[in-house]
Amino acid sequence: DVKVTQSSRYLVKRTGEKVFLECVQDMDHENMFWYRQDPGLGLRLIYFSYDVKMKEKGDIPEGYSVSREKKERFSLILESASTNQTSMYLCASSYQSRSSYEQYFGPGTRLTVT
Amino acid sequence: QKEVEQDPGPLSVPEGAIVSLNCTYSNSAFQYFMWYRQYSRKGPELLMYTYSSGNKEDGRFTAQVDKSSKYISLFIRDSQPSDSATYLCAMGGGSQGNLIFGKGTKLSVKP
Repeated sequence: DVKVTQSSRYLVKRTGEKVFLECVQDMDHENMFWYRQDPGLGLRLIYFSYDVKMKEKGDIPEGYSVSREKKERFSLILESASTNQTSMYLCASSYQSRSSYEQYFGPGTRLTVT
Repeated sequence: QKEVEQDPGPLSVPEGAIVSLNCTYSNSAFQYFMWYRQYSRKGPELLMYTYSSGNKEDGRFTAQVDKSSKYISLFIRDSQPSDSATYLCAMGGGSQGNLIFGKGTKLSVKP
């Protein structure tokens, strides 16, 4: 079974703090993704990566950065957290092939910024 | 027009009913069609995956794709309370190479 794990299920941070969200997958997937999910807005792609040290902006990259130093690990960084970044953050991974659309998700991190 | 449209519901049905969930899309380049199930406060899990047109069946679940109408459906037979969740459609194959998600339909199956 594909396993995608995220470092925290729930996180509470203060405005202005630097926040790190970690994601690890154990299926040797090339592709990794970060989404945020908000009521009424659905899933929105923040950043994705097709390879180690590679990153591409998604639909809403502002206020976020990412790091992929190892194939299995993809980190999302909020440089200076703001209240409008309160959300559910979901990491996903997939192969880099025809089946690359089969994305497997982690359990999510519910981040609250106060 | 949004790329993927999905009625958010909520949809409430009695146990044992046949459920029909639908999405429409505008991008004719989409070739990959997925359905995800998401329980409350959990990550989405991949339920069904269809390439191009046609039907796919897995137990009580059937996924249908009608590319001529740009319409996809997920049918759940003999629905159970454990099917209560939000169902997300997702599509890929366009120029971006990523999945485009619908906003999800919240389903409640009452015992």
